[in-house]
Amino acid sequence: EDKVVQSPLSLVVHEGDTVTLNCSYEVANFRSLLWYKQEKKAPTFLFMLTSSGIEKKSGRLSSILDKKELSSILNITATQTGDSAIYLCAVNTGTASKLTFGTGTRLQVTL
Amino acid sequence: SAVISQKPSRDICQRGTSLTIQCQVDSQVTMMFWYRQQPGQSLTLIATANQGSEATYESGFVIDKFPISRPNLTFSTLTVSNMSPEDSSIYLCSVVLPPSSGGRGETQYFGPGTRLLVL
Repeated sequence: EDKVVQSPLSLVVHEGDTVTLNCSYEVANFRSLLWYKQEKKAPTFLFMLTSSGIEKKSGRLSSILDKKELSSILNITATQTGDSAIYLCAVNTGTASKLTFGTGTRLQVTL
Repeated sequence: SAVISQKPSRDICQRGTSLTIQCQVDSQVTMMFWYRQQPGQSLTLIATANQGSEATYESGFVIDKFPISRPNLTFSTLTVSNMSPEDSSIYLCSVVLPPSSGGRGETQYFGPGTRLLVL
């Protein structure tokens, strides 16, 4: 059975801190790994990673995939209160584009 | 980029009743999915909505409980039938957008979700 695990489950940091969120996976067939941010109901897309070692970057957020270690990290630098959300990692296993989601990391950024 | 909408945004229902949730995309899409997110949990795929044919359900989900329609390439409905309090969840549709609508590969983009509370 495909499995995606995220850590930590929750995290509280002060504004300005840098955080690293982890995602590891065990899947039969890997096609890509995606990161989403969920603030209320709808997850919004952040990154899609397919190749090891190539960093994707968008503003203060960046992510990288390590296919040897079957994992990915999401970094957020200079955190702001608006970064408070649940961050979801999902793996596309290539079977009709289905996604298997991790448990999510709940990030709270305080003043 | 494409706009994905869902109706209703939220609802409170009595046990034993049914609710139909609509998902509308403003461009034609091939792949459309329905997910459930129970309180405090991550997203679980219910089914893939196939245009012109029966939906493909994941293990643990059945058509009698979650009938799905997909009459065309821009619209789908999910019905939650004979509801119980355990059905209280956020229900989300997602689509794979074509590049012409801002899609990137097989990335799924989500609708705004429907928050359902069953009493």
